[in-house]
Amino acid sequence: EAGVAQSPRYKIIEKRQSVAFWCNPISGHATLYWYQQILGQGPKLLIQFQNNGVVDDSQLPKDRFSAERLKGVDSTLKIQPAKLEDSAVYLCASSLAGSWEQYFGPGTRLTVT
Amino acid sequence: GQSLEQPSEVTAVEGAIVQINCTYQTSGFYGLSWYQQHDGGAPTFLSYNALDGLEETGRFSSFLSRSDSYGYLLLQELQMKDSASYFCAAPWTDKLIFGTGTRLQVFP
Repeated sequence: EAGVAQSPRYKIIEKRQSVAFWCNPISGHATLYWYQQILGQGPKLLIQFQNNGVVDDSQLPKDRFSAERLKGVDSTLKIQPAKLEDSAVYLCASSLAGSWEQYFGPGTRLTVT
Repeated sequence: GQSLEQPSEVTAVEGAIVQINCTYQTSGFYGLSWYQQHDGGAPTFLSYNALDGLEETGRFSSFLSRSDSYGYLLLQELQMKDSASYFCAAPWTDKLIFGTGTRLQVFP
């Protein structure tokens, strides 16, 4: 079974630029999550989708972050404009509906200079 | 709100047994998960305790005590490849809240 795919793996941008991350979850997984993980900390949930609907985006900085999951499969997370404090690893995860067992992708390491 | 606290670092030698603790404060509680994350890697699911008691999976066991708001991950017969960060996580409303993480270093 293919795992969660993410791209790019690494990205370096200057502050105030924009960036987009892509995620393809495990086939059949209805729930998709985007997490931000700052070095030395646990993952922090940014947004959670159930199929193509948003379940929770309470910790998403909506003035600069946006995410979508068209057709209930792939998802993109965008940051515009980026700030220095956005430097982190952005993890995508998916799970079967109703399951707490989440499968994570390899993540995108973002560096904002 | 909800918070899960873990020791920041634990060290041990190969072949030893180590316990990683997790204490939580929550207004609602369904269970406790554990994830392993190697440096530069993605978190991988280890276990989920929905009920009190000990769950064993090979060299790893996980324990939950709801009355004490406490759980732990027990790693036996430690191997060098067990060096990683370990996170407890708890469901809260519809999302998973991760703990502060414990970095385990295994020495030969």
